[in-house]
Amino acid sequence: EAQVTQNPRYLITVTGKKLTVTCSQNMNHEYMSWYRQDPGLGLRQIYYSMNVEVTDKGDVPEGYKVSRKEKRNFPLILESPSPNQTSLYFCASNPGPGGNSPLHFGNGTRLTVT
Amino acid sequence: KNEVEQSPQNLTAQEGEFITINCSYSVGISALHWLQQHPGGGIVSLFMLSSGKKKHGRLIATINIQEKHSSLHITASHPRDSAVYICAVRRADSNYQLIWGAGTKLIIKP
Repeated sequence: EAQVTQNPRYLITVTGKKLTVTCSQNMNHEYMSWYRQDPGLGLRQIYYSMNVEVTDKGDVPEGYKVSRKEKRNFPLILESPSPNQTSLYFCASNPGPGGNSPLHFGNGTRLTVT
Repeated sequence: KNEVEQSPQNLTAQEGEFITINCSYSVGISALHWLQQHPGGGIVSLFMLSSGKKKHGRLIATINIQEKHSSLHITASHPRDSAVYICAVRRADSNYQLIWGAGTKLIIKP
């Protein structure tokens, strides 16, 4: 089954404790991205990747890192999480550049930083 | 002013009613997406449009490029249609980034 797998679904952590949210897709998609969703603000892009070893900042990259060593995986890293990073996070992928192809989303990760 | 505006923000209707959700944008675009987010949080792509009209089951999406406006219609609405509906556009001058609307929360009462 074609899917984007995101883990974990829920994560509670403390300020400053490094964490990684994993994202994997099995559709051989070139383009992957990370979003955060906050009440009243909609989806905001954190980082995106156009292919292996090619990543770029989205609208809200501060406090986040990503890597794209393999085509299928695009982990999101929070080196030193802070409470303002408490949010719902989504990983997404699509076959080609940007918006001219359907988007596939992971199930989301609800992160709480205390 | 946001580059992508959705209306209404919230909509409550009775089962069976015809539903219209609107999306207006202020930039040149090459494509527009409609997505659905259920209360559990998962996001599903419904339509991708660059012109005209698309239909899938009870869902219809239209776009008017000249007026920079798109609508999502739901015929014979059902409580299982209750969700947040999100519009996103790809700027004509960008290969990779989407501009997102804030979403419309739809509740269909039995």
